[in-house]
Amino acid sequence: EIVLTQSPGTLSLSPGERATLSCRASQSVSSTYLSWYQQKPGQAPRLLIFGTSNRATGIPDRFSGSGSGTDFTLTISRLEPEDCAVYYCQQYGSLPPMYSFGQGTKLEIK
Amino acid sequence: QVQLVQSGAEVKKPGASVKVSCKASGYTFTSSGISWVRQAPGQGLEWMGWISGYNGDTKYAQKFQGRVTMTTDTFTNTAYLELRSLRYADTAVYYCARNALLWRSFDYWGQGTLVTVSS
Repeated sequence: EIVLTQSPGTLSLSPGERATLSCRASQSVSSTYLSWYQQKPGQAPRLLIFGTSNRATGIPDRFSGSGSGTDFTLTISRLEPEDCAVYYCQQYGSLPPMYSFGQGTKLEIK
Repeated sequence: QVQLVQSGAEVKKPGASVKVSCKASGYTFTSSGISWVRQAPGQGLEWMGWISGYNGDTKYAQKFQGRVTMTTDTFTNTAYLELRSLRYADTAVYYCARNALLWRSFDYWGQGTLVTVSS
């Protein structure tokens, strides 16, 4: 079973700054199957990035994803107040077939 | 537009069962699968399992094997999650989410159903 570890646990930045969120896997993950989600309080998660670097429909280009193997990154350039949320990475592995999530990074906007 | 609408909140006693529904619209139900993901209060996301909208094939996370059943009704485009032998630790918001097959991501989510296990 692949374990995803996200860092940092909490990130506190100011509007206009750049946020870099990390997701590290316990073994290699197919870049096709690495996704990122944003979850605001009281809401369901929302898909941001799929296939490591593809933005989902309606996601602004301030959000970008990169990485390969065991290290993946979500970057949010030019932070806005509405980016305050918890961000999760997620992977799919085929042996056995299952999905897993990281524990989340909480992004606070000062 | 794609929508997943879930049933309302439930309160159950320990040892009981709960069945949550997820009605899909805005796409061809049989062309995608549905996963169930839960979130305990203040905690992260936990994948429980997946069901094919095409033929009802299922894959369950090992943690829930023997205690969970996922089904679909292709006439009403509805997916169901049944969880048995409820424990206090099963108190959580349960989400259904559509599987994007090619990318193995969850592209649309239901609004969530709070299941509270309390004596």
